[in-house]
Amino acid sequence: EDKVVQSPLSLVVHEGDTVTLNCSYEVTNFRSLLWYKQEKKAPTFLFMLTSSGIEKKSGRLSSILDKKELFSILNITATQTGDSAVYLCAVDSGSARQLTFGSGTQLTVLP
Amino acid sequence: NAGVTQTPKFRILKIGQSMTLQCTQDMNHNYMYWYRQDPGMGLKLIYYSVGAGITDKGEVPNGYNVSRSTTEDFPLRLELAAPSQTSVYFCASSLLAGWTAAFTDTQYFGPGTRLTVL
Repeated sequence: EDKVVQSPLSLVVHEGDTVTLNCSYEVTNFRSLLWYKQEKKAPTFLFMLTSSGIEKKSGRLSSILDKKELFSILNITATQTGDSAVYLCAVDSGSARQLTFGSGTQLTVLP
Repeated sequence: NAGVTQTPKFRILKIGQSMTLQCTQDMNHNYMYWYRQDPGMGLKLIYYSVGAGITDKGEVPNGYNVSRSTTEDFPLRLELAAPSQTSVYFCASSLLAGWTAAFTDTQYFGPGTRLTVL
């Protein structure tokens, strides 16, 4: 059975801090790893990672994948209160590109 | 282009009642999915479809049924609602146009339906 584990489950930081969110996976047919941000509504897409060692960046967010060690990290620098959300990691491993999700990391950024 | 739409937004059911959650996408995506999200958890796949007339079970299909008579619509049916089906339901779609598209495309999610079974 495919498995995705995220850590920590929750994190509270102050504005300006840098955070690192972790995602490890065990799947039988890896295609890609995706990060989503969820704010009390539908998940919104952040990154898709398919190759090891290539960092994806979008503003203050960045992510990297290690296919040998089977994990990914999501970094957020200079956090803002608007970054408060649940961050979901998912792995695309099915023949129909079904996603297996982790349970998410609840990030709270205090002013 | 509305993307993925879901109705209703909220619904309260009594145990044993049935209902259909509607999902429509206008992006001509061939793949569609239904997920449920319990409080504090990630999303779990209920059913998916790779095209009109083709559906398959996901991780948690028990208590649900689906159909896919058109490319646009992918309704989810609950026949005998149970409290364990209290959850937020998300529909998603994606386009798989070819090998390269598999590594560049992603799933687009609808706004969700919050269902409570009492």
